[in-house]
Amino acid sequence: GNSVTQMEGPVTLSEEAFLTINCTYTATGYPSLFWYVQYPGEGLQLLLKATKADDKGSNKGFEATYRKETTSFHLEKGSVQVSDSAVYFCALNRRGGSNYKLTFGKGTLLTVNP
Amino acid sequence: DAGVTQSPTHLIKTRGQHVTLRCSPISGHKSVSWYQQVLGQGPQFIFQYYEKEERGRGNFPDRFSARQFPNYSSELNVNALLLGDSALYLCASSFEGVNTEAFFGQGTRLTVV
Repeated sequence: GNSVTQMEGPVTLSEEAFLTINCTYTATGYPSLFWYVQYPGEGLQLLLKATKADDKGSNKGFEATYRKETTSFHLEKGSVQVSDSAVYFCALNRRGGSNYKLTFGKGTLLTVNP
Repeated sequence: DAGVTQSPTHLIKTRGQHVTLRCSPISGHKSVSWYQQVLGQGPQFIFQYYEKEERGRGNFPDRFSARQFPNYSSELNVNALLLGDSALYLCASSFEGVNTEAFFGQGTRLTVV
């Protein structure tokens, strides 16, 4: 079946540090890949997505590249801010039968200190 | 435009009781999905509905059921609540399709005591 494995947290960084959160996936065919972010007490917000191999998704300084050869979709940001503190989820969307469903990783808690 | 709205935001129930959670999708979205997020874990897929028909079901017991109404809003019902049903229940709406974005509500925090 489909699965997503992402870096265990928590991750604690100082402001302006470089961020990488690793994500690898297992899926048949060609899934779409997503990063969602969850701020405390809130639902999920889409951060970025990529729908085919070698696509790069980007938003708010975050980037991730769909690497089919390594089945990876690592999240990066060059300079994190305190406001980036949140839980980050890697996910894939793959059609299974007649439905589309998101399969999520377990999440990585990021804390950025001033 | 209003986003995905869920009600109630918080709920406390006793073991064995029944609960109904509600979701209103973004206007124009015909697909609604439900996810269960246990503390410290990623969301797990429960159901997807599209055009009032069940399109998919995750690995959840028959105590979990759902439906979608003609206005595309949806209800998730859970019978015979167990302590392990305590979680954040998230509703997501979207257009149909594997590449489309799912928009999530803020969730209903269910606590079973």
